[in-house]
Amino acid sequence: NAGVMQNPRHLVRRRGQEARLRCSPMKGHSHVYWYRQLPEEGLKFMVYLQKENIIDESGMPKERFSAEFPKEGPSILRIQQVVRGDSAAYFCASSPNPSGSGNTIYFGEGSWLTVV
Amino acid sequence: GNSVTQMEGPVTLSEEAFLTINCTYTATGYPSLFWYVQYPGEGLQLLLKATKADDKGSNKGFEATYRKETTSFHLEKGSVQVSDSAVYFCALSDRGGSEKLVFGKGTKLTVNP
Repeated sequence: NAGVMQNPRHLVRRRGQEARLRCSPMKGHSHVYWYRQLPEEGLKFMVYLQKENIIDESGMPKERFSAEFPKEGPSILRIQQVVRGDSAAYFCASSPNPSGSGNTIYFGEGSWLTVV
Repeated sequence: GNSVTQMEGPVTLSEEAFLTINCTYTATGYPSLFWYVQYPGEGLQLLLKATKADDKGSNKGFEATYRKETTSFHLEKGSVQVSDSAVYFCALSDRGGSEKLVFGKGTKLTVNP
């Protein structure tokens, strides 16, 4: 059973370009989460999605950032017009349907974005 | 709101030393508590978890007990190894582990031979 798959692992973008990060959840998992890790800091929640629905986007910056999890295919985190401050590691995680009894969230290996 | 406060690092130990990394939390309701580990250049791996008061999570020689009275979830290991060098994150989830996680800032551990 493959884990959470993220690509690309490393991405370099010039200021003003767009960055697209992809995440395929574990088999059987229908819940996807995106987190951002800035240098020397912990992970901060960005967005929580189910298939075709955004459930909680309270951690997403108001502008330039968007996320989707279509019916078919991976979840996409899109950052438009990147700036140097967007340089970070972006982690995707997935979990199965919530049961309210302590499901574990599994993380991918992350996508490291560098804006030059 | 929910928050996690973690012992600040970095922590440097010699091999076979005893490890404690303190973690306390603030949460409404009854959160699930987790320790994640991040090895250099890698993603986060779940180390252990506890879902209710007095539960003890354990894995790879690490242990942590969910203490509701002190709102703590301290990570311990009796004898660390060089391979334990990593960043350790304490986290909580306030809906039984299926919703978003709130992380501490992480504690970097270096174990010297």
